[in-house]
Amino acid sequence: DAGITQSPRYKITETGRQVTLMCHQTWSHSYMFWYRQDLGHGLRLIYYSAAADITDKGEVPDGYVVSRSKTENFPLTLESATRSQTSVYFCASSERRESIYGYTFGSGTRLTVV
Amino acid sequence: QKEVEQNSGPLSVPEGAIASLNCTYSDRVSQSFFWYRQYSGKSPELIMSIYSNGDKEDGRFTAQLNKASQYVSLLIRDSQPSDSATYLCASRGGSGGSNYKLTFGKGTLLTVNP
Repeated sequence: DAGITQSPRYKITETGRQVTLMCHQTWSHSYMFWYRQDLGHGLRLIYYSAAADITDKGEVPDGYVVSRSKTENFPLTLESATRSQTSVYFCASSERRESIYGYTFGSGTRLTVV
Repeated sequence: QKEVEQNSGPLSVPEGAIASLNCTYSDRVSQSFFWYRQYSGKSPELIMSIYSNGDKEDGRFTAQLNKASQYVSLLIRDSQPSDSATYLCASRGGSGGSNYKLTFGKGTLLTVNP
């Protein structure tokens, strides 16, 4: 089915481990985003991408790495997970650069770092 | 730093009443605004967008924008228990480049009592 999918839905990992969260969209949207959502902080932008091979930092990029070798995929890697990275992670995509368009979100990944 | 401010609530209204959700934004040149609904444990879902001063109606929802006051609101008429959710306000566009990024408020929790 067309859409934006995230995997896994739930992940428990240990401190210091590397973990990759996957995001795949079938619309060929140019713009993709990673947000984390925490109680009291709302949605905060981690990284975003305007096209394949073009990525940029958002508000809270430390400890995260992204890549975008193909338009449809935008994985997020936690290089060495910390407890403070326990959060719900949302991937989103947007069709157009023009500001009147919102995003479509994936269903999220709930990550727990123990 | 762009900011979007919302009252965290909870806002509690009886079934059938009008729910009024408010949002202010700091970047005077922000261009478009969005309301997302987020049920507990789910991803945000776009319900309204507005980019011109005035009102925009869609079914039971009315979005209002006042750029001079930097104020956005969402009215929900004939509120239903199924409207109980967190409502996120977001702005897009404006100063600082990258006008395709959304900046989110922390959300307002709405509870509609039967």
